[in-house]
Amino acid sequence: AQKITQTQPGMFVQEKEAVTLDCTYDTSDQSYGLFWYKQPSSGEMIFLIYQGSYDEQNATEGRYSLNFQKARKSANLVISASQLGDSAMYFCAMILANAGGTSYGKLTFGQGTILTVHP
Amino acid sequence: GAGVSQTPSNKVTEKGKYVELRCDPISGHTALYWYRQSLGQGPEFLIYFQGTGAADDSGLPNDRFFAVRPEGSVSTLKIQRTERGDSAVYLCASSLAGGRNEQFFGPGTRLTVL
Repeated sequence: AQKITQTQPGMFVQEKEAVTLDCTYDTSDQSYGLFWYKQPSSGEMIFLIYQGSYDEQNATEGRYSLNFQKARKSANLVISASQLGDSAMYFCAMILANAGGTSYGKLTFGQGTILTVHP
Repeated sequence: GAGVSQTPSNKVTEKGKYVELRCDPISGHTALYWYRQSLGQGPEFLIYFQGTGAADDSGLPNDRFFAVRPEGSVSTLKIQRTERGDSAVYLCASSLAGGRNEQFFGPGTRLTVL
């Protein structure tokens, strides 16, 4: 069974600074995908970034980048130039995929990290 | 275009009652998922539909929970004999089949069982 671990219940960062949110995962499957979602206080889950297990390069989406270290089974999210609007809960999640890289089935989520950005 | 919608946004019921929660996925999305999120926790998977059929219902906690998607679009999550422990936010998501299968989430239904 898959498992996602987020060891930081809460993180603080100064506006305009960079912050890293940790995520480790556990699976015996070779094909999988890793996601990061943001959940503001309004409750809606917002997709941020995706990394496939066979992707050789780390994923980037604007100010978000994913530091993927396959051997360590870690997929940390890096947010550069933090903004006040980045204050939210952040979830790391995993999905299994077939050998062709097509994901299927359920997402397994971690416990989340609450990020607070200070002005 | 329109995102995933869920109704009602809030539902308060009494212990023992029956409730139905509705999800309208993004048009054209063949896969639909239900998750349950308790306060301060990550979402937990309940059930996954591919088209009209349940491809994986391993997350349903017991036989009081049931979900349908009769025409491959709208889905209804049904909870019988509600218990106080059922109180949570119920999230629905949809995705296209294939590819990286990014799931788009609705705003959720907050269920409170008194």
